[in-house]
Amino acid sequence: QKEVEQDPGPLSVPEGAIVSLNCTYSNSAFQYFMWYRQYSRKGPELLMYTYSSGNKEDGRFTAQVDKSSKYISLFIRDSQPSDSATYLCAALRSNTGKLIFGQGTTLQVKP
Amino acid sequence: EAGVTQFPSHSVIEKGQTVTLRCDPISGHDNLYWYRRVMGKEIKFLLHFVKESKQDESGMPNNRFLAERTGGTYSTLKVQPAELEDSGVYFCASSQVAGWGYNSPLHFGNGTRLTVT
Repeated sequence: QKEVEQDPGPLSVPEGAIVSLNCTYSNSAFQYFMWYRQYSRKGPELLMYTYSSGNKEDGRFTAQVDKSSKYISLFIRDSQPSDSATYLCAALRSNTGKLIFGQGTTLQVKP
Repeated sequence: EAGVTQFPSHSVIEKGQTVTLRCDPISGHDNLYWYRRVMGKEIKFLLHFVKESKQDESGMPNNRFLAERTGGTYSTLKVQPAELEDSGVYFCASSQVAGWGYNSPLHFGNGTRLTVT
């Protein structure tokens, strides 16, 4: 079983839609959860991170972690064509740099 | 501030040949990581340097892979001899401190796309 599971999609939405991206994880030792965005032929770029459970909001993006159900979510409000990319969830234990990635979800926002 | 730089961006080699990938981390970043993504799979950790020392190499697939970071600056990842299953995108990342913190996230390079034929 993979430690972090993510539906690869693809996911296609119209511009302005609310996008919900989700991951599940299996290792209770994970404490940090992050979302990376990756454009084609580029490296992953950190969008947001959350420590333990809870929500974090940054502009149009909201990250949510529910440790009781081992569920990680990213919501994008008022989605834009420039949001079209692959979104990667990742997790790690404290005090390590060993990120465990999900497979990534490809998102297309159509004008 | 220059980001993490990787060279080459793309390499095509034949099975059995040797390839060396290079990563230049962000200046001042003691922590350097190598990750790899093979086709259809998730990005996976390979190893972690702190300065010139290997902190964790638990993700290295086998002894055909050799990573070095002489002097604690840039790093190289050599694959010798290359096999078909080594094809993928190799990412390097760096951070100021080990562990995690918003002030010390992992910064990734754009990767080296390796194709073994």
